Amino acid sequence: SQTIHQWPATLVQPVGSPLSLECTVEGTSNPNLYWYRQAAGRGLQLLFYSVGIGQISSEVPQNLSASRPQDRQFILSSKKLLLSDSGFYLCAWNLGQATTEAFFGQGTRLTVV
Amino acid sequence: GENVEQHPSTLSVQEGDSAVIKCTYSDSASNYFPWYKQELGKGPQLIIDIRSNVGEKKDQRIAVTLNKTAKHFSLHITETQPEDSAVYFCAASSNKIIFGKGTRLHILP
Repeated sequence: SQTIHQWPATLVQPVGSPLSLECTVEGTSNPNLYWYRQAAGRGLQLLFYSVGIGQISSEVPQNLSASRPQDRQFILSSKKLLLSDSGFYLCAWNLGQATTEAFFGQGTRLTVV
Repeated sequence: GENVEQHPSTLSVQEGDSAVIKCTYSDSASNYFPWYKQELGKGPQLIIDIRSNVGEKKDQRIAVTLNKTAKHFSLHITETQPEDSAVYFCAASSNKIIFGKGTRLHILP
């Protein structure tokens, strides 16, 4: 069966420090991969999505970046964190042309101090 | 760009009554409309979905309706129970999944 792993679960980082959040999917091939951010409200804001290795689409201008070095690995990074980067980050995957069920990881709670 | 509007942002319903959440979308290419439920501290989970060639779908106490002409879709929960309390998200998808801002549903005893 397919599983998605996201880590770490919680992270406290100082302003200006770098960030690396990792997400891996097991049990499937060539998934679509997504990074969402959920700020203090509730909305799920799409940050990046990828339909294949090295293919990254950015939805929102920001100081974050994403990479997909392997088929089932998706990494969210920042060189210098801002206070406004605090939030709940969720990785997700699905198959096909994005018209199938998406499965979410358990999320990373990032607090920038 | 693509946008999904969701209302209300908060909804309180007496246990046993029905709850309705409504969404509109802007991208006419959207052809898949899932609904997700998120419990505290967890990732969202799919509860029901509907595709553009269908107007209504029901699964026990949950039903979704879709009006493609008006670009509206809705979630209906009947006979609400305490465990229905959560945040619910609608989404519209063509080549990527765009979510609404969520509805916090409170089931009152």
